[in-house]
Amino acid sequence: AQSVAQPEDQVNVAEGNPLTVKCTYSVSGNPYLFWYVQYPNRGLQFLLKYITGDNLVKGSYGFEAEFNKSQTSFHLKKPSALVSDSALYFCAVRDKFSGTASKLTFGTGTRLQVTL
Amino acid sequence: DAGVTQSPTHLIKTRGQQVTLRCSPKSGHDTVSWYQQALGQGPQFIFQYYEEEERQRGNFPDRFSGHQFPNYSSELNVNALLLGDSALYLCASDREGSEQFFGPGTRLTVL
Repeated sequence: AQSVAQPEDQVNVAEGNPLTVKCTYSVSGNPYLFWYVQYPNRGLQFLLKYITGDNLVKGSYGFEAEFNKSQTSFHLKKPSALVSDSALYFCAVRDKFSGTASKLTFGTGTRLQVTL
Repeated sequence: DAGVTQSPTHLIKTRGQQVTLRCSPKSGHDTVSWYQQALGQGPQFIFQYYEEEERQRGNFPDRFSGHQFPNYSSELNVNALLLGDSALYLCASDREGSEQFFGPGTRLTVL
């Protein structure tokens, strides 16, 4: 069965510093990986996805993620954090990218706190 | 371009009652998925609808059922509500080959 793990419940970073939110995955076959962000009392907003191709994926709001097949990781990064980035971040894996059976399996989430 | 919309925003029910939640997908999307997000947890997949049929189902009891209409909108029904059904229910839509877009959710409280 596919799964993702987010080992950190919370990440604290000062504004202007780089941030990393970690995610590791377990799938059979090619992984289709996603990052979503959730603000309080809101639904999930799509940030970026990895399907195939370049290991560095660029997404919304200056976020990027690095796919590492040997370490089965898909860490979310941003060069310079903003206070407004403070939110709950979810990593997810999809068993197929198109066709049938396209459910997302989410990690437990990592709360990012950016302080001045 | 309207995104995914859900109604109602909040709902309070008592144990044993039944509830219906509604979702309209993003324009151009034909696939609707439902997720349950308990407090402090990641979303858990309930089921997915495509062409008015349930295409895939997660590990949820038969008390959870759904429907998709010809205009691609969808309903989630939960019968015999339990306290443990209290959660944020998220609807997501996509078109095959695209990422899923989520609605704002319906907060269900079961007393």
